[in-house]
Amino acid sequence: AQSVSQHNHHVILSEAASLELGCNYSYGGTVNLFWYVQYPGQHLQLLLKYFSGDPLVKGIKGFEAEFIKSKFSFNLRKPSVQWSDTAEYFCAVNAPLSGNTPLVFGKGTRLSVIA
Amino acid sequence: GAVVSQHPSWVICKSGTSVKIECRSLDFQATTMFWYRQFPKQSLMLMATSNEGSKATYEQGVEKDKFLINHASLTLSTLTVTSAHPEDSSFYICSARGPGVSNQPQHFGDGTRLSIL
Repeated sequence: AQSVSQHNHHVILSEAASLELGCNYSYGGTVNLFWYVQYPGQHLQLLLKYFSGDPLVKGIKGFEAEFIKSKFSFNLRKPSVQWSDTAEYFCAVNAPLSGNTPLVFGKGTRLSVIA
Repeated sequence: GAVVSQHPSWVICKSGTSVKIECRSLDFQATTMFWYRQFPKQSLMLMATSNEGSKATYEQGVEKDKFLINHASLTLSTLTVTSAHPEDSSFYICSARGPGVSNQPQHFGDGTRLSIL
């Protein structure tokens, strides 16, 4: 079974600072990787996803993530955060070759961006 | 984009009451729906997976007689919390995925906050 670890529980940054949120997964087979964002009072929204190909994935709102297979990692980055990026960020994984599998989520990282 | 509507958004009821939560895919056919539960400051924990027209598959530790799931159509799934008690208070989130392999993204509803008094 897959599992996901997000090491940062709460990150506080000033506007314009660079962001990197860690995500590691445990599963030896082929995986699909996702980052979701949950703004206060809203539902989960897909930021970006990796299925195959270029390990550097670009998503919406200037976010990107890099899949490093050897490290089982899929860290989320943004060069310059804005106050509106304040939200909860979830890394998720599923195993596409294991049937109709659901997403398995990490515990989430709360990002607070201050002016 | 794909929209998933979840209703109600907030329920407060007395202990012993049964509560039904609806999850609808508004602009796509949801062949698979997932029900998650989220405790404060914790991750989404999968409760069950349901495929249209089939019985739901429950995760270990989730009581199927307690959490009844129906997925009778390609656009609607319901979760009924039977004889709810305070420990069932939580945030319940549904997610839907269209036909195809697991590469299809999951789309999420807004969630239902259930408070049992």
